[in-house]
Amino acid sequence: DAGVTQSPTHLIKTRGQQVTLRCSPKSGHDTVSWYQQALGQGPQFIFQYYEEEERQRGNFPDRFSGHQFPNYSSELNVNALLLGDSALYLCASSLGLGTADTQYFGPGTRLTVL
Amino acid sequence: QQQVKQSPQSLIVQKGGISIINCAYENTAFDYFPWYQQFPGKGPALLIAIRPDVSEKKEGRFTISFNKSAKQFSLHIMDSQPGDSATYFCAASHASGGSYIPTFGRGTSLIVHP
Repeated sequence: DAGVTQSPTHLIKTRGQQVTLRCSPKSGHDTVSWYQQALGQGPQFIFQYYEEEERQRGNFPDRFSGHQFPNYSSELNVNALLLGDSALYLCASSLGLGTADTQYFGPGTRLTVL
Repeated sequence: QQQVKQSPQSLIVQKGGISIINCAYENTAFDYFPWYQQFPGKGPALLIAIRPDVSEKKEGRFTISFNKSAKQFSLHIMDSQPGDSATYFCAASHASGGSYIPTFGRGTSLIVHP
């Protein structure tokens, strides 16, 4: 049973560029959340997708956008990259919206902005 | 404003010793308190969690102690092993918009010497 998978593993971009990160949820899961984890910090919630709609959003600018596909996989897009966007981006999946304790995290995508 | 404060930032213990990590929260609406364990190159994994209707929860060598009046909770790792070396995050959440979105502490890097 495959867990949460993310691609790519690492990514290097320059300021002003755009990036797309991808996530496939754990088998049977239909809800995907994205988090940003800066070096030495805990993960910070970006947004959550369920039924192909953004359901909740954290305190992140509109440069951060996402999408969920019918097969429940998801993309995170970041436009106009800033140096401060360098971080580990984590995807987490769960079944439904109301579950508190069954959120599974992927290994993350390490984004470096030069 | 950091809603979940975690200490210490780093912790070194000898094999067989007790590791203690403390967290404090501010939002009294929080009603679910998970702890996550993160190894290098991996995403966080749920370790153990507690709800405020109990003061303690034990799973194997891991115990959460919860003090609702003080708005504090802690993780105790008994008989610490080198394999426990990882970063530990406390988190707190409550149902918002139909889902639980955890607010993470900044993490504690635990090293257990053999």
